[in-house]
Formats: sequence, C-alpha cells, structure tokens
Amino acid sequence: DTGVSQDPRHKITKRGQNVTFRCDPISEHNRLYWYRQTLGQGPEFLTYFQNEAQLEKSRLLSDRFSAERPKGSFSTLEIQRTEQGDSAMYLCASSPWEGADEQYFGPGTRLTVT
Amino acid sequence: AQKVTQAQTEISVVEKEDVTLDCVYETRDTTYYLFWYKQPPSGELVFLIRRNSFDEQNEISGRYSWNFQKSTSSFNFTITASQVVDSAVYFCALSEASGNNNDMRFGAGTRLTVKP
Repeated sequence: DTGVSQDPRHKITKRGQNVTFRCDPISEHNRLYWYRQTLGQGPEFLTYFQNEAQLEKSRLLSDRFSAERPKGSFSTLEIQRTEQGDSAMYLCASSPWEGADEQYFGPGTRLTVT
Repeated sequence: AQKVTQAQTEISVVEKEDVTLDCVYETRDTTYYLFWYKQPPSGELVFLIRRNSFDEQNEISGRYSWNFQKSTSSFNFTITASQVVDSAVYFCALSEASGNNNDMRFGAGTRLTVKP
C-alpha cells in the first residue's frame, strides 16, 4: 500500500507528558500537511512542509507543538506538556506538487489526554 | 478571510433516494479551489473532487454530481440513488490561490446516514 501512513493510530497519555506522532507521506510527494480534527468539526490546518522546509504554521500551533521533516520524507509532530484540550485526531496529508492540488490523507492519530 | 459553511449537520435518507449536500463559501480571492472529501466511519478522508474558480461546469461521476455556482458562492454535492455505503461525513473545503494557498479551510461537515 502506498498511501499516507501514520503511527501510532491511538495514543493515550497523561496531562503534562510529551507525545510524538509520525507521518509517512506518499512516496515522492513533496508537500506534507498536519491537521487537527475535533469531534464534529472539520480538519483544522496546523502546518505544512515543502520538502524539508516548514513554510507555514497556523496560529493554532502553540509553542508546545513542533513539527519536523528532516529529510523531506517522513514527518514528526511533537506535543510537549500535553493538555486535555489537545485531545483530538491528528491528521497528516500529502500532495505531489505546488498549487492547490488535492491532498491525500492518512488514517490519523487519535490522541486522548487524561 | 475564507470561510466554508455546511448548514446541514446531519441528513438521513432511505436507500435509493437522491440527496444534496449544501456548501456555501466566502472568499475575497478571484482564484480559488473547492473540494469535497468523504470521511467514512473508518476515519480516513477520501478525496472526491477539486474544482477551480474559473471552471463552473458541473461535473458528474457515476452517482455523484457537483453543482458549482459562483453567483451564489455555492458548491453543492448530489448523490443519486443513495446506497448504504454512502453513509459518511462529507466535508467541503476551500483553498485560496493567493498567499500560501495551503490553508485549506474545511466546513464542519454533513453527516449522511443512508438507511436500508
């Protein structure tokens, strides 16, 4: 399967702990996006990468959030000092080139902060 | 600022009925892109269609059809002869061409339930 993959699929953590999620985009897609989706809402844009460069960050992305894509392939999203409000589905998507091309989404990582 | 409104929170139909999902958008850009995505119970968003602002032709793909009307800023989605497998949450999204055009703004979604 050559779709977008995310790991882990589910994560339960205690408030104050750090968590890290991984996203593997479709091979050769140079754009990678992170979104957050809460219950009953559509995905909200967090950040995106063009190859290894992080080109845009939403104001939703607080200082506790950091994302990397060190070699322009997979990406990680880390949340430090998690809060209950961070509980959500974190979605990764990739697209092949510039412009508003369709984005292909992974299955998401569901984070629960207790 | 871009905005997408899907006024229908939930729709329930019986199999074989036709159903239309509404999407209204707001943008100041003259060039923009509209999308529909399907999110089945498994959770993974599935791309359905992209339409750019210069192409107002309606599109039909099997049982799916889309009606884009710039005059009313709407991009509605119709499923003909609905099936149980169409049950999902459907999202309309907008991406503007100016700036970084990466801030794809999604509506809140419409949950469609098709009953047998």
